[in-house]
Amino acid sequence: SQKIEQNSEALNIQEGKTATLTCNYTNYSPAYLQWYRQDPGRGPVFLLLIRENEKEKRKERLKVTFDTTLKQSLFHITASQPADSATYLCAAGAGSYQLTFGKGTKLSVIP
Amino acid sequence: DTAVSQTPKYLVTQMGNDKSIKCEQNLGHDTMYWYKQDSKKFLKIMFSYNNKELIINETVPNRFSPKSPDKAHLNLHINSLELGDSAVYFCASSQGVGSEAFFGQGTRLTVV
Repeated sequence: SQKIEQNSEALNIQEGKTATLTCNYTNYSPAYLQWYRQDPGRGPVFLLLIRENEKEKRKERLKVTFDTTLKQSLFHITASQPADSATYLCAAGAGSYQLTFGKGTKLSVIP
Repeated sequence: DTAVSQTPKYLVTQMGNDKSIKCEQNLGHDTMYWYKQDSKKFLKIMFSYNNKELIINETVPNRFSPKSPDKAHLNLHINSLELGDSAVYFCASSQGVGSEAFFGQGTRLTVV
């Protein structure tokens, strides 16, 4: 069955450094990947979308890559701040309305 | 104005009861969803409606029944609640395949 895996459940990083989160997929060829941020007690909030024919997308301090050979997406937050602390979810879709989510990576940015 | 709103935010109820969660979106989207997030924070789709028609119905017990009276509303009714139904339920909407999804704030259901 198709799987979306975010290998790190938790990631601690020093303020000012670049946080890199990984999303791998198996038994699947997603047409696009999306990244969401979820704060405790809140719903996920959309951050970035990247399609299979795109290598990289950027938005302010955020960057996402899509490597169809490695079957992997990397999500980067540069110059990380304590306010970036949250759970980040990777989601994949393939031409239908269904999004398949990973379990998320909880990022803690330490001052 | 809240884009996707669901009520109630918290719901505590006894086993065997029937309960409903309401969801409304004011974004003009054609597609609405119900997701379940369990204690391990895994977000899994339950249902999807497009223009009031069911298009995704994942393997969920038939005690769960979604109802979409119009494009802006998707309610979730749950019969004969069980302990294992305890979770956070999220409503979401999107416009078109591959579009970003907008989520509500969630309904934390606790079955005792």
